[in-house]
Order: sequence, then C-alpha cells, then structure tokens
Amino acid sequence: DVVLSQSPLSLPVTLGQPASISCRSSQSLLYTDGDAYLNWYHQRPGQSPTRLIYKVSNRDSGVPDRFSGSGSGTDFRLNISRVEAEDVGIYYCMQATHWPRTFGQGTKVEI
Amino acid sequence: QVQLVQSGAEVKKPGASVRVSCKSSGYTFVNYGITWVRQAPGKGFEWMGWINGYTGDTNYAQKFQGRVTITTDASTSTAFMELRTLTSDDTAVYYCATDDQLDFWGQGTLVTVSS
Repeated sequence: DVVLSQSPLSLPVTLGQPASISCRSSQSLLYTDGDAYLNWYHQRPGQSPTRLIYKVSNRDSGVPDRFSGSGSGTDFRLNISRVEAEDVGIYYCMQATHWPRTFGQGTKVEI
Repeated sequence: QVQLVQSGAEVKKPGASVRVSCKSSGYTFVNYGITWVRQAPGKGFEWMGWINGYTGDTNYAQKFQGRVTITTDASTSTAFMELRTLTSDDTAVYYCATDDQLDFWGQGTLVTVSS
C-alpha cells in the first residue's frame, strides 16, 4: 500500500500568517492519464471532512483562494497564504491514484 | 446540491454484524461510485472499500476482505456497508463518500462495539 507521510503533525499558526503542510508519498502518484490524484481535506472537530484540493492543485468549489496545492511525483504541499480562525482543525492528504486509497496521518492546525 | 445522508448510530455486541446505509441525492447515482472509510476515536482515516455505482463492481481493502460487503440499491440511490464479526477494534465513525475521489462525505455513523 502507498504510505503518505505528513509533516508537521502539529502546526501552531498565527492569524494572518502563512502556513504550509507537506505530504510525501512512498510511490509516485502519477497516473497513466498524466494526472496525480492527490487530494487535501479539512476536518473540524465533530464534523465530516470537506475536500479542499483535488488532483494536486485544483480548488473545490467554494474553497477560499488562500488555499493552494502544489507538487508532483511523490512530494506535495498544501499552503495557506493567510491563516484565518476558521482554518483550525486537522488537514489530511489522500491519494486516489493507487488501490487501496490511503490517507496521511493528519496535521493538526491550531492558533 | 450533493448530499449523502447516513443511518443513525449503532451499538453492537462483539461477534455481531452492522449495516450502515448512505442515501444520495443531488446527482445521478449510477454515474458515480461510493467509497466507505472509517475513523476510530481520535485517529485518522482508514479506507475500507469502493463500489462502482453502475456495474456494482467492488474493491475492498485487504484488511476487510471477507468481512465487509458494500452494495447499492439504484432505485433508492442508497449504498450499504455491512461489516461482520465485529470486535471492539471496529468501534469508529463510518463515512460514505462520493466516488473514488471522495468529493463529498456523509455525516458519519458512529458504530460502538461493546459487550
């Protein structure tokens, strides 16, 4: 199975400042169609996750443009340009290139 | 808008089975699959399996092979996940999500396994 390793696992942030989370894969996530299926999710306490980013860098509808994704192959990153209070929670990367799908351990973002 | 509404919380005894439902709306059910994942208390996500909404083909995580069955009822746009031979390690919130890209998620169903 593909192992996704996130870092850091805990990320103290300051409102208005940037933040960044890394997700490294044990295998290339490049699919035969030329896309890498690496998604990012945000989960607030007691809530279901919501998808922020799909296929590395595509923002889902309604996701603020302060969120951006980048990367290729085995190294990926989620960036928040200016952290807002509503951004607290746990962020997970997930790969949807290989079966079974797998998730990173999660990064807890707190003010 | 896409919505996935799951069945309510369950309490089961060890050795029992549980069946969780996931009713979809806001899109053409048979055009997409459904994925099931779970999250143990205070833990991350564990992918359990996926079903093709059109063909009914399934793909299960090896860990759950032989113990989980995912099915759909296209007439009601509902997916089901049955997990058998429950142990305390199966205590978790179970989520359904759209397709294999997990675009949208249900609200989650807490399954508690306790004697």
